[in-house]
Amino acid sequence: AQTVTQSQPEMSVQEAETVTLSCTYDTSESDYYLFWYKQPPSRQMILVIRQEAYKQQNATENRFSVNFQKAAKSFSLKISDSQLGDAAMYFCAYRSASGGTSYGKLTFGQGTILTVHP
Amino acid sequence: NAGVTQTPKFRILKIGQSMTLQCTQDMNHNYMYWYRQDPGMGLKLIYYSVGAGITDKGEVPNGYNVSRSTTEDFPLRLELAAPSQTSVYFCASSYSERNYEQYFGPGTRLTVT
Repeated sequence: AQTVTQSQPEMSVQEAETVTLSCTYDTSESDYYLFWYKQPPSRQMILVIRQEAYKQQNATENRFSVNFQKAAKSFSLKISDSQLGDAAMYFCAYRSASGGTSYGKLTFGQGTILTVHP
Repeated sequence: NAGVTQTPKFRILKIGQSMTLQCTQDMNHNYMYWYRQDPGMGLKLIYYSVGAGITDKGEVPNGYNVSRSTTEDFPLRLELAAPSQTSVYFCASSYSERNYEQYFGPGTRLTVT
């Protein structure tokens, strides 16, 4: 079974600064997807960024980028030029790409609460 | 499109009561999922469905039941509510297992006292 671990329960950053959230995962599969979801106080789960394991290039979405280290099974999220609206719980998630009994389910980490100071 | 909708948004149950959490999606997605999120934790899969009439258990199915009579609806039934079922419940959907985008509903906060 796959597991996802986020070792930072809480992180804080000053507005306009850069912060990195850590995530490690364990799997025996070679083909999978990794995601970062944002959950603001409204509880809505918002997809921030995704990475396909077969792609060596790190995904980027505006101020959000990832550092995907497949051999190390590490998937960190970097938020540049942090804004007050970035304050939220962030979840790392894994999804198998091999089909079968996984049926597209997501396996989540425990989450990291990000606080942004003005 | 409304996306994934869930009702109710909040509910308080007494121990032993039953209720159904409703989930509807209007995107013609085949795959639907129910997750629960305990305080300060990530989401865990309760049940999932790969199409109308087909459901299966996830990681934490005990105390819950589901049905999928239509593509649009995927209700979650709690029988004999227990305090351990106090949680936030999320419904999600995706077009297929190969389509990696899962769309989430706004969640239902359930308290069992």
